[in-house]
Amino acid sequence: DVKVTQSSRYLVKRTGEKVFLECVQDMDHENMFWYRQDPGLGLRLIYFSYDVKMKEKGDIPEGYSVSREKKERFSLILESASTNQTSMYLCASSRLRLAGDTGELFFGEGSRLTVL
Amino acid sequence: KNQVEQSPQSLIILEGKNCTLQCNYTVSPFSNLRWYKQDTGRGPVSLTIMTFSENTKSNGRYTATLDADTKQSSLHITASQLSDSASYICVVSPPLDGNKLVFGAGTILRVKS
Repeated sequence: DVKVTQSSRYLVKRTGEKVFLECVQDMDHENMFWYRQDPGLGLRLIYFSYDVKMKEKGDIPEGYSVSREKKERFSLILESASTNQTSMYLCASSRLRLAGDTGELFFGEGSRLTVL
Repeated sequence: KNQVEQSPQSLIILEGKNCTLQCNYTVSPFSNLRWYKQDTGRGPVSLTIMTFSENTKSNGRYTATLDADTKQSSLHITASQLSDSASYICVVSPPLDGNKLVFGAGTILRVKS
């Protein structure tokens, strides 16, 4: 059974703290993604990675950074958490496909972050 | 700007009834259109996928349709069950930038007994 595992389901942090969200997939997928999900809005892409040590900015990268040192692991880092980063964070992975042929996204169960 | 709009925002139906969820998109052309189901507290799971040239795709009691002329897709749920209670998300993939998917905000469906 395919699996994307996010390390923390619920986190509460204080403004200014550094936050690490980790994601591991066991499907040997090339692509990995971090999305943010807020009520009334569609999922918004923060960063994605198509290979180890490769990353590309999504639609809302400000205030976030990522790390992909191993193929199966993709980390999202909030250098200095702010209250407007309170949200649900979803990690996903997919197989590398030909241009324009987007494969199915496999999502983790999400990490709900509250910044006080 | 590429957009995906879903309606209604939320819906309550009785168990056993049918329902239809709507998705209007501006992404054109597109590589594919998917419907995902997201249970409360879980990540989304793919239900159906349609390419630009397909009109309909079924997955059990779920049937997705696509009208490329009007840029609309529908997800029809037949004989609803309590387990169908979830958020349903329409996602469109641009052809030249397949990693920059366009997500709708979702329709929250609640099935009551």
